[in-house]
Formats: sequence, structure tokens, C-alpha cells
Amino acid sequence: KAGVTQTPRYLIKTRGQQVTLSCSPISGHRSVSWYQQTPGQGLQFLFEYFSETQRNKGNFPGRFSGRQFSNSRSEMNVSTLELGDSALYLCASSLKVPGQGDGELFFGEGSRLTVL
Amino acid sequence: GENVEQHPSTLSVQEGDSAVIKCTYSDSASNYFPWYKQELGKRPQLIIDIRSNVGEKKDQRIAVTLNKTAKHFSLHITETQPEDSAVYFCAVFGNQFYFGTGTSLTVIP
Repeated sequence: KAGVTQTPRYLIKTRGQQVTLSCSPISGHRSVSWYQQTPGQGLQFLFEYFSETQRNKGNFPGRFSGRQFSNSRSEMNVSTLELGDSALYLCASSLKVPGQGDGELFFGEGSRLTVL
Repeated sequence: GENVEQHPSTLSVQEGDSAVIKCTYSDSASNYFPWYKQELGKRPQLIIDIRSNVGEKKDQRIAVTLNKTAKHFSLHITETQPEDSAVYFCAVFGNQFYFGTGTSLTVIP
């Protein structure tokens, strides 16, 4: 079974630009969540989607947004990029069903964003 | 929201020794506590987890203990090997996952 796939793996943008990252979950996983990983800050939750609906949102500004498609693939978008947005963005999928508890997160390899 | 603190941030041990990483949390309603291992340049992977109705869980050389009253849980690695060198993250689940800031473990051969 293929794992979680994220594209692109690396990208460089300049301040003020916007970026879209893509995540394809493991087949059969309908829950997709996104995390920002920076040195010293660990993994910070951005948002979670299930069946095309955002179920939870972390404490990030409105410049960070996402969506999920009917095939469970997800995208996240960051507009008006700032230097501080440079990070590894990780996507994770799980078999978790909202209201029925938690589940193991299966991570992708991440998209490393550098903002110049 | 939940507040997860993880200590230490770095840990060096001699091969064969034990390593212990501790996490504390604030929300008593949290009910699931996984540990993830992230090797350099790779994705985080689940190594062990524990639920709030269990006090201890073991899987070969790794174990996790949970003290719900004190709101802390710990990862124990015995007989450490060089391949255990990685960053370890604790996580807490209430209505979403909250991660600790990570512990960089180095096992010295």
C-alpha cells in the first residue's frame, strides 16, 4: 500500500508570494491533518479534514488555509508569505473517524518551504 | 488548549544504557498518548502509544508509562543502540494532537 505522498518536496518562494502544497493520503484514510515543523517548536497543528470538511483548526493566522477533495486528497495554501513561514510542512493521514476516538498518524515526508 | 512540555531537549547516552524522556500535559480530558520517532531527514513514525485507561505498555526495548493523576507520561528505551539515535516527539490527544518540542537522542557507540 502506498504511503502518504506530499508534493512538492522542496520549494523556494519570496515574501508576499503564495504557495499551495498537496497531500495524497493512504488509500482508505479519510482523515488528513497538517502540521508545521520548525526547529525548537516541534510539530504544530494547522488543521484537520475529514470527508471534505474542516474538523479542527490550530492557532495560525487566516493566511493559512486548506481543503480536502472527494478522493481525500488535501491541499494547504499559504498566502502573503512571510520569512517566518519557512518550515517543513507535514501532512498525516489516519483511519480516525471524528467522534470515534483517535488513530495512528501516518506522515508524509513533508514539503520544505523556504521563504526568502 | 492543551500545553505539552517535553524534557530533556537533548540526551546523549552510551550504547547499552537506558534513556528516559518525559512529557507533561495540562488537560485531564486528554486520553491518548503516542510517541513518534523521527530519524534525520525522514518522516515521524509511531513507535508506541498508550491510552488513558492503561498505566504501562511495553514493546521489546521500549516502554511507556502514564501517570494520569500527575499528568505526565514517559518513554523508556533500554539497551540503547546507535539506530535509536533520532528525535522523539511525545503527543497528546484530546480533540486534536498536541506535540512536544522533541528530544534529540544520541546513542554513542
